[in-house]
Amino acid sequence: EAEVAQSPRYKITEKSQAVAFWCDPISGHATLYWYRQILGQGPELLVQFQDESVVDDSQLPKDRFSAERLKGVDSTLKIQPAELGDSAMYLCASSLRGVAGVPKTQYFGPGTRLLVL
Amino acid sequence: KNQVEQSPQSLIILEGKNCTLQCNYTVSPFSNLRWYKQDTGRGPVSLTIMTFSENTKSNGRYTATLDADTKQSSLHITASQLSDSASYICVVSGDDTGGFKTIFGAGTRLFVKA
Repeated sequence: EAEVAQSPRYKITEKSQAVAFWCDPISGHATLYWYRQILGQGPELLVQFQDESVVDDSQLPKDRFSAERLKGVDSTLKIQPAELGDSAMYLCASSLRGVAGVPKTQYFGPGTRLLVL
Repeated sequence: KNQVEQSPQSLIILEGKNCTLQCNYTVSPFSNLRWYKQDTGRGPVSLTIMTFSENTKSNGRYTATLDADTKQSSLHITASQLSDSASYICVVSGDDTGGFKTIFGAGTRLFVKA
């Protein structure tokens, strides 16, 4: 069964350093999502792509976070500089293209657990 | 106020027992509601998805119900197993100010004891 791939699985960095996460969605999934999940809470959407275009980045802290999906397939999420409060699980999900604005089921990757020291 | 509220926050049950998790939402108009299971340190996995017209949906020992009038959903787990220990997240999609949104609840943390 196809899965969403993410790397690395774990990342430890020092504050003020740069860090990058990679996501490869399920083949054929036009929509890609990046979420941040703090321990004990539900995922919070950071950015949503439809193909290579950003459709929602309203919750992305743009002063330090950036995301791209240049060819509409895999995606990279970057944090620069990292802060202590960025420690969390970063989840990537993908889905088929929604119809008439109705979203399809999202399939999640295993996540990248980030620890900022 | 969170538009998707889950209860209880955590729950401990004995192996073999049944349990029911609750999800209340205020998202309106409503499109669909999903329940996800998230094992510790892993990404969420979809259990069920229900649209406005569906009242119940089963997936093995998991049965989700939906009352769109009262904006409530429940996830019932039958004959619990140790492997059911996980967080269960309710996710509601619908219209929100600014367009279509998918909103995650904070989850219910279930512990199944031997």
